[in-house]
Amino acid sequence: SQQGEEDPQALSIQEGENATMNCSYKTSINNLQWYRQNSGRGLVHLILIRSNEREKHSGRLRVTLDTSKKSSSLLITASRAADTASYFCATAYGGATNKLIFGTGTLLAVQP
Amino acid sequence: NAGVTQTPKFQVLKTGQSMTLQCAQDMNHNSMYWYRQDPGMGLRLIYYSASEGTTDKGEVPNGYNVSRLNKREFSLRLESAAPSQTSVYFCASSPDRYGYTFGSGTRLTVV
Repeated sequence: SQQGEEDPQALSIQEGENATMNCSYKTSINNLQWYRQNSGRGLVHLILIRSNEREKHSGRLRVTLDTSKKSSSLLITASRAADTASYFCATAYGGATNKLIFGTGTLLAVQP
Repeated sequence: NAGVTQTPKFQVLKTGQSMTLQCAQDMNHNSMYWYRQDPGMGLRLIYYSASEGTTDKGEVPNGYNVSRLNKREFSLRLESAAPSQTSVYFCASSPDRYGYTFGSGTRLTVV
């Protein structure tokens, strides 16, 4: 399997703290994306970073990409209880088809 | 609301039965996908369709067939269900090289 891997598998923090999740992957990519999944729901797209970008911001989210190490990180600043969810990285490959390979996810619990 | 609609939301099948999972999107996206999600395995691609009239196998296509009926609809068929196909199935769509929009999923149990 070409699946990426997230680290840690589970993370528990207090409201207001920052949460950092890491993702490693195996193949050359077109872009890398992060998704959130609340329990029992579908995945929601958070942010996309292209292979020629190193850092991207969206609200309280900051994503970095290091293609030489085949790794990415997602930082959520000033976390809230509503951020409690599973977070998945996904790598896009395959030319124009934009097929995604998903990692196994990080389960984030934000304690109020 | 615009998005991806999946039906049904829940289904229980007996081993050997067949069924079709329906998916429709109203965002005029070219690409559509079917994934399955199992505990500890993340999401795995079953089939995808880069455009109307084309379909291709993903990582785990065995036991499934798909039809891209038109630009809006992409269905997934289980011809002879097996317990190993118990899973949560997600349909998604995307414009080229952008993020996916996912449906809310179909929870399938094969007994």
